[in-house]
Amino acid sequence: AQSVAQPEDQVNVAEGNPLTVKCTYSVSGNPYLFWYVQYPNRGLQFLLKYITGDNLVKGSYGFEAEFNKSQTSFHLKKPSALVSDSALYFCAVSFLYNQGGKLIFGQGTELSVKP
Amino acid sequence: DTEVTQTPKHLVMGMTNKKSLKCEQHMGHRAMYWYKQKAKKPPELMFVYSYEKLSINESVPSRFSPECPNSSLLNLHLHALQPEDSALYLCASSTTGTGVSEQYFGPGTRLTVT
Repeated sequence: AQSVAQPEDQVNVAEGNPLTVKCTYSVSGNPYLFWYVQYPNRGLQFLLKYITGDNLVKGSYGFEAEFNKSQTSFHLKKPSALVSDSALYFCAVSFLYNQGGKLIFGQGTELSVKP
Repeated sequence: DTEVTQTPKHLVMGMTNKKSLKCEQHMGHRAMYWYKQKAKKPPELMFVYSYEKLSINESVPSRFSPECPNSSLLNLHLHALQPEDSALYLCASSTTGTGVSEQYFGPGTRLTVT
């Protein structure tokens, strides 16, 4: 069965420090991996995706993620956290010709960045 | 324009009411989605329309009825809802429904069933 795990419900980081939000996946075949962010009372906002090619993917707002096939991971990173990065982050996985383009979401990680 | 719009922003309805949620996108996307989201949980897929045809119904109760009048519009008709249906309802769209393209989400409709 296809699944995504975000092992940390909450991540706390001081402003200016690097941040990592973890994601591991289990998919038959080649995965398509996505990160979304959700600010309070808002919809989800696409950050970045890995389809194929370079394992390091750069996205919006200075975020990047590294695809690691051997560890089946796709961790989200940012070199220097901002207070405004505080939000709920979802990792999601899909695959080629997935019926209807269905996304399988992780449970979400709440990121809190303190000044 | 990478915007998905949803109306209304908030909706309060009684269990005997009939109401509709509306979603619109003008990005030329051919796949559109309805999700239900409870607080601090991941979105739960309800329906997928691909090229204006219903391609996925995730065993959603019949009190929710989707409609795709054209490639830019998606409606969700609500009837005889239960209090447990109170949630944030999100609409999304993507270029195609093949799983490769990212989904763009609207801001959601906050639904309260009394």
